[in-house]
Amino acid sequence: DGGITQSPKYLFRKEGQNVTLSCEQNLNHDAMYWYRQDPGQGLRLIYYSQIVNDFQKGDIAEGYSVSREKKESFPLTVTSAQKNPTAFYLCASSGDRTNTGELFFGEGSRLTVL
Amino acid sequence: QKEVEQNSGPLSVPEGAIASLNCTYSDRGSQSFFWYRQYSGKSPELIMFIYSNGDKEDGRFTAQLNKASQYVSLLIRDSQPSDSATYLCAVNRGSGNFNKFYFGSGTKLNVKP
Repeated sequence: DGGITQSPKYLFRKEGQNVTLSCEQNLNHDAMYWYRQDPGQGLRLIYYSQIVNDFQKGDIAEGYSVSREKKESFPLTVTSAQKNPTAFYLCASSGDRTNTGELFFGEGSRLTVL
Repeated sequence: QKEVEQNSGPLSVPEGAIASLNCTYSDRGSQSFFWYRQYSGKSPELIMFIYSNGDKEDGRFTAQLNKASQYVSLLIRDSQPSDSATYLCAVNRGSGNFNKFYFGSGTKLNVKP
């Protein structure tokens, strides 16, 4: 079945370490997104990519980095520069706006900094 | 001003009642509107989308859009305990073929048996 796969589901990190969250989709979508969700909060956009080899900062990009070398893959690196990285991270993709335009989400990755 | 605003709740309704969830948005250029349901610890799942003013019904769910008032709502009829979740309102403000979504902080709904 088509969908978005995120890994790992749970990740623990020591302060000062970089970690990379994986996101793979087989929906043939051009656009991919990374959101962060804190308890009791909505989704905040970290980075997004409209096409391979291109990406833009979202509202809270500081301390994060991404790459988009393949259409199917959009990994997110949480760097040591991110001051408060403990959160639930969601990867999503969307088709073009001639479709319903909805976002499809992966199951999420929960990062805890020890 | 936030792009999308929702009352955080919790909204408590008895089983079988109508739950009414509301959302306002700031950009009049917004073109499409979505309601996502999110169970605790899970990712959001799409419930409804609406593009045009008026009502759109799908089973027990009705989405209402009023672009003049910049207001979107979701009605859940015959509420069930399984409807207990956080409901996220999202607005698509993309351009061309690109979608760019803004989310409210969500309304927590509790349906009491």
